[in-house]
Amino acid sequence: DQQVKQNSPSLSVQEGRISILNCDYTNSMFDYFLWYKKYPAEGPTFLISISSIKDKNEDGRFTVFLNKSAKHLSLHIVPSQPGDSAVYFCAASAYAGGTSYGKLTFGQGTILTVHP
Amino acid sequence: EAQVTQNPRYLITVTGKKLTVTCSQNMNHEYMSWYRQDPGLGLRQIYYSMNVEVTDKGDVPEGYKVSRKEKRNFPLILESPSPNQTSLYFCASATSGRSYEQYFGPGTRLTVT
Repeated sequence: DQQVKQNSPSLSVQEGRISILNCDYTNSMFDYFLWYKKYPAEGPTFLISISSIKDKNEDGRFTVFLNKSAKHLSLHIVPSQPGDSAVYFCAASAYAGGTSYGKLTFGQGTILTVHP
Repeated sequence: EAQVTQNPRYLITVTGKKLTVTCSQNMNHEYMSWYRQDPGLGLRQIYYSMNVEVTDKGDVPEGYKVSRKEKRNFPLILESPSPNQTSLYFCASATSGRSYEQYFGPGTRLTVT
C-alpha cells in the first residue's frame, strides 16, 4: 500500500518556465514533508521541507506547498534551469517523540527534464 | 569532507551466500538508515537507527539485518540473499534533531543470481 504517491512518472519543461511536481499522501499521521533530488549515479540530496503547521515554504527558486485537507503537496521550481533535470522524490514522516522523525516514506519519484 | 561511504559499490552474488554492505559516516550523526530503490517503487526504507544500539524496522525489513555498535557505522546484512533483493541500496545519516534531512551515500548496486 503506497502511502505516498507521485502519479506523474515524468515531466518535461522549457528552461525559464515553472516546473510543478505533485505528491499525494494517505496517512493522516504524517506531519513533516520533504523533497529530495537525485541525479544519476548519485545518492538523493535533501532539497526542501515543510511542517504540517505551515502551508508554504520557500527557498530561493524552490517553493513547497502543502494542502492538508487534500493530503497533497507540490514543489514549484521557478525559473526552471537545465541543471534541475533530475528525479524528484517527495517523502513524508510522522513525529516519533522528542525531536525524532525516524521513519521516512518516499514516493515513486518524478523525472524532471528541463529543455534549454 | 563530510560524507557517507558505502562498500562495495557494486556486487554480484549468488542466492544464499551471506553478504554485508558497509556504511560509514564522518559527520557524528546519531541517525542512520538503509533504503532500497526499485523501478516504479521509489525509495523504500529497510531499517533505521536513532542512535547506537537503537534500531527499528522500516517498511521492507524482511530478509535484512542491521546492527549499530558504533556511531559511525551501520552495516546491512543479508543472511541468505534471494533474487528479489536485487536492487540499488542507499545508506543515509542525519542529526537526531533533523532526522528527516538525510545525507545519502552513493549507493550499492546488488545483483543476486
